[in-house]
Amino acid sequence: GAGVSQSPSNKVTEKGKDVELRCDPISGHTALYWYRQSLGQGLEFLIYFQGNSAPDKSGLPSDRFSAERTGGSVSTLTIQRTQQEDSAVYLCASSRLATRTYTGELFFGEGSRLTVL
Amino acid sequence: GDSVTQMEGPVTLSEEAFLTINCTYTATGYPSLFWYVQYPGEGLQLLLKATKADDKGSNKGFEATYRKETTSFHLEKGSVQVSDSAVYFCASGANNLFFGTGTRLTVIP
Repeated sequence: GAGVSQSPSNKVTEKGKDVELRCDPISGHTALYWYRQSLGQGLEFLIYFQGNSAPDKSGLPSDRFSAERTGGSVSTLTIQRTQQEDSAVYLCASSRLATRTYTGELFFGEGSRLTVL
Repeated sequence: GDSVTQMEGPVTLSEEAFLTINCTYTATGYPSLFWYVQYPGEGLQLLLKATKADDKGSNKGFEATYRKETTSFHLEKGSVQVSDSAVYFCASGANNLFFGTGTRLTVIP
């Protein structure tokens, strides 16, 4: 498809289990972002990939969270030993252009809703 | 660090009313500024943007002006419609974007 694709759209898991969320960005977009949207909390920046540069992981809330981007395309966000406070919608976005001084338009996926019981 | 503060909602207006949603930012350097919108059941999408001081972004009747002196980027529309009902997010950034908490707007006929 032409847009950012995320899977799964919904994930229910038990506390303590690991989950993987996948993002397939728009072809040709060099920048990829993960955000978390919690009820009443707005969008929380998690991690940012730009081309072959080292990712900006400054937003990851704990070492249980990690992300990788293979071949400059698909990205996987992994949450280990999930906790109830991890319940949120995880949004992925990509953009065509991002430099140190300018961020291009972000195109968002529809998100993966994670519920930790 | 960089951050965005926007007016808390929810905001309820009658059709054709004037809309203002306030947004201020803190940043090192000179970020680009954005308004994103999330319509019911849809993903976030860009509404408008401004990349330097005094630039005005506009789209679908909405406007926002990049005010460096007040570090603000307030969203305005002169006459809202029911179809404008959505959540609006202000964002600021250079090589990544920081978002506000969102403001839910409901327009009633």
